[in-house]
Amino acid sequence: GAVVSQHPSRVICKSGTSVKIECRSLDFQATTMFWYRQFPKQSLMLMATSNEGSKATYEQGVEKDKFLINHASLTLSTLTVTSAHPEDSSFYICSAGAPVGGQPQHFGDGTRLSIL
Amino acid sequence: GEDVEQSLFLSVREGDSSVINCTYTDSSSTYLYWYKQEPGAGLQLLTYIFSNMDMKQDQRLTVLLNKKDKHLSLRIADTQTGDSAIYFCAEWDYKLSFGAGTTVTVRA
Repeated sequence: GAVVSQHPSRVICKSGTSVKIECRSLDFQATTMFWYRQFPKQSLMLMATSNEGSKATYEQGVEKDKFLINHASLTLSTLTVTSAHPEDSSFYICSAGAPVGGQPQHFGDGTRLSIL
Repeated sequence: GEDVEQSLFLSVREGDSSVINCTYTDSSSTYLYWYKQEPGAGLQLLTYIFSNMDMKQDQRLTVLLNKKDKHLSLRIADTQTGDSAIYFCAEWDYKLSFGAGTTVTVRA
């Protein structure tokens, strides 16, 4: 069964709206989670590393104020797309787990965000 | 820096074996992964191999790792129509770096 749960699976909203996406680890505690963005027919682009109890680490070129990340507990990280515009429309995926003792990264099912 | 490359497309006949190849550049990678993505879905972990291993077999899947050449391959035996998907290889060195993905098409 799923070990990482991501919600919602699909969001359609108007330009200017802020959208929150949740990523939960179900069977384990995750001090680190990762947020990715995927454009159609392309690979995953790492946006940021979410660290429990501290600030997220953003990849170069990713706007911190646009993509707010909160990792308030060991099982939950949230990504908020603030004042979303059509160019923010994409597939967002989170992952959790770290290869300590062989535990691999597991991915959520992704969130399809469409901004009208 | 990390750079993972893989061929973009593979077409295979149902029942044949599929081999997907991947090369990477980061010699400090500890784990190497294969993920499967079906249309509109997230990534499904297929298998992974630790960098000190040469081979790992799991049912129809065989992973070969040539650390000297930084070459990773995934062999799918008896390929089925349900195996049609995009396959990503990825290397782990404190974060995952993905290849562009190989689209596997299984024809009858």
